Amino acid sequence: EPEVTQTPSHQVTQMGQEVILRCVPISNHLYFYWYRQILGQKVEFLVSFYNNEISEKSEIFDDQFSVERPDGSNFTLKIRSTKLEDSAMYFCASRAPLGRTQETQYFGPGTRLLVL
Amino acid sequence: GESVGLHLPTLSVQEGDNSIINCAYSNSASDYFIWYKQESGKGPQFIIDIRSNMDKRQGQRVTVLLNKTVKHLSLQIAATQPGDSAVYFCAENIGGNFNKFYFGSGTKLNVKP
Repeated sequence: EPEVTQTPSHQVTQMGQEVILRCVPISNHLYFYWYRQILGQKVEFLVSFYNNEISEKSEIFDDQFSVERPDGSNFTLKIRSTKLEDSAMYFCASRAPLGRTQETQYFGPGTRLLVL
Repeated sequence: GESVGLHLPTLSVQEGDNSIINCAYSNSASDYFIWYKQESGKGPQFIIDIRSNMDKRQGQRVTVLLNKTVKHLSLQIAATQPGDSAVYFCAENIGGNFNKFYFGSGTKLNVKP
């Protein structure tokens, strides 16, 4: 069964450093998402992406964040200058445009980011 | 001492019993809802969804009920199994464009063998 994959599974970085989190969505999916989940808290929407453009973003997704689909398979989230409060699990998700599963998002296993 | 993060409500059930997990939403414009299951260390996994023009939807061993009057959503799991132990979240979408989803705080389901 196709699945969303994410790398790395864990990332430790120093405050102020840039990090890039990588995702490979399911191959025929066209809509992509990033979410984060601070330990013990709810999943929070960050951004959605379609046709090489951001569709919608949350208040969390400020100028320190950016997303990119650099090729036909990868979808990345960049945090330019990490803060302590960016420590969280980051989930990528994707969904297909057609068919009964149109609305269903499939989540990756997540990248746990720890900012020191 | 000060607690960090949310204290998830926990539902403990005996294996074989039925489970009911509840979720309240606040936006009357929400028109699509999803229940997700999240096991420890994993990403959310789709269980079942429902649109706002429906009151009930059934899947395999799961049923979602939607009460728009009181803005309440529930997930019923029949014959709960130990593998059902996880945190369950509801998520809502507004506007039907599926670009942005709001997640609830979650309920931890603990199934006792």
